[in-house]
Amino acid sequence: GEDVEQSLFLSVREGDSSVINCTYTDSSSTYLYWYKQEPGAGLQLLTYIFSNMDMKQDQRLTVLLNKKDKHLSLRIADTQTGDSAIYFCAFKMGSSYKLIFGSGTRLLVRP
Amino acid sequence: EAGVVQSPRYKIIEKKQPVAFWCNPISGHNTLYWYRQNLGQGPELLIRYENEEAVDDSQLPKDRFSAERLKGVDSTLKIQPAELGDSAVYLCASSLDWQGRRFANEKLFFGSGTQLSVL
Repeated sequence: GEDVEQSLFLSVREGDSSVINCTYTDSSSTYLYWYKQEPGAGLQLLTYIFSNMDMKQDQRLTVLLNKKDKHLSLRIADTQTGDSAIYFCAFKMGSSYKLIFGSGTRLLVRP
Repeated sequence: EAGVVQSPRYKIIEKKQPVAFWCNPISGHNTLYWYRQNLGQGPELLIRYENEEAVDDSQLPKDRFSAERLKGVDSTLKIQPAELGDSAVYLCASSLDWQGRRFANEKLFFGSGTQLSVL
């Protein structure tokens, strides 16, 4: 079955880099996503990566995909207090529209 | 441009009472989703609409949940009667399908959700 795992919590100091990790079980994943959820808000798409890529960079965000280990990570450079939020990884299988979400990692950025 | 709008923002009801949530998707978005997000979890799909047609309601508990999108724009999700375990955040999302790239890289835009507490 589908399973996505994330660590629950990450705390970093402002200006440091943050790395949020995600592992998944389904090898047929085609698109893999990172969403951000701020308190009291809906989910905001941050970035995504197609399964034939192993890295994607978008300004302060770097996504790394290790298909062999089924491991996805999101690196945030120069983390700011405004980056404090819950980060969800999600994936789609094959040509399905269905998004499977992890349970989220709460990132706390300390001044 | 307005995003996905949901109301009410919060709802507190007693068990066995009915409740309804409303969603107005982004203008022009033909696809609409309802998700449920339990505390400390990621969202889980309840139902997907393409225009006014519910194309996937396999995850919707049909004994007590119903949804409609009569004119292919706004949608309502109803629970009757509500149970304690229905306490969650109900999220609406919309997207614009591209012909020929169906689902390939569909970008979902989420509303802020309705937080339901059943007492």
